[in-house]
Amino acid sequence: NAGVTQTPKFQVLKTGQSMTLQCAQDMNHNSMYWYRQDPGMGLRLIYYSASEGTTDKGEVPNGYNVSRLNKREFSLRLESAAPSQTSVYFCASSQPGLPSSYNEQFFGPGTRLTVL
Amino acid sequence: EDQVTQSPEALRLQEGESSSLNCSYTVSGLRGLFWYRQDPGKGPEFLFTLYSAGEEKEKERLKATLTKKESFLHITAPKPEDSATYLCAVPQGGGYQKVTFGTGTKLQVIP
Repeated sequence: NAGVTQTPKFQVLKTGQSMTLQCAQDMNHNSMYWYRQDPGMGLRLIYYSASEGTTDKGEVPNGYNVSRLNKREFSLRLESAAPSQTSVYFCASSQPGLPSSYNEQFFGPGTRLTVL
Repeated sequence: EDQVTQSPEALRLQEGESSSLNCSYTVSGLRGLFWYRQDPGKGPEFLFTLYSAGEEKEKERLKATLTKKESFLHITAPKPEDSATYLCAVPQGGGYQKVTFGTGTKLQVIP
């Protein structure tokens, strides 16, 4: 199993350009997430999808849109990139269950985005 | 809103020198706490889930403990391969999808 895969691994954009970050998981998980990680700020949730067909805002959703394409895939779109969106983006998935299970999230390798 | 604070921000240990990392939190009704390890340039990797005060989990040289207000990650006789950033997180809301992460402790173990 590949787990959680993300494309691209690196990207440089100019201010105002748009792009879509792709994420796929092969663990049959219901829930998927997009985070950004900045120095000193930790991981912050952008959007998440509790199950196929649903999406919800996280802590920092402004400037982003998401699409849960099917159970496997969850994409993140930047419509008009800004320098403040320079960050490392992580996709994750999980199968939330009862408190007796681990409820852990599985993370992808990340996309390093620079907006000039 | 729930807050998660980790200390210290960075820790440098000699190989074999045991220590502890701290994760304190303010939550209304703790329903669990997660520990992750993150290597440079990679995504976080799950280590432990703790659900109730007094619970302990162990994995190799790592042992995680939980009280009502904080969690500790004890590292016994660390090796250089234990060097990484260690993150803790607590669930928000009613389920386990949304979690709040701390900013992490960067551990360096020197041979």
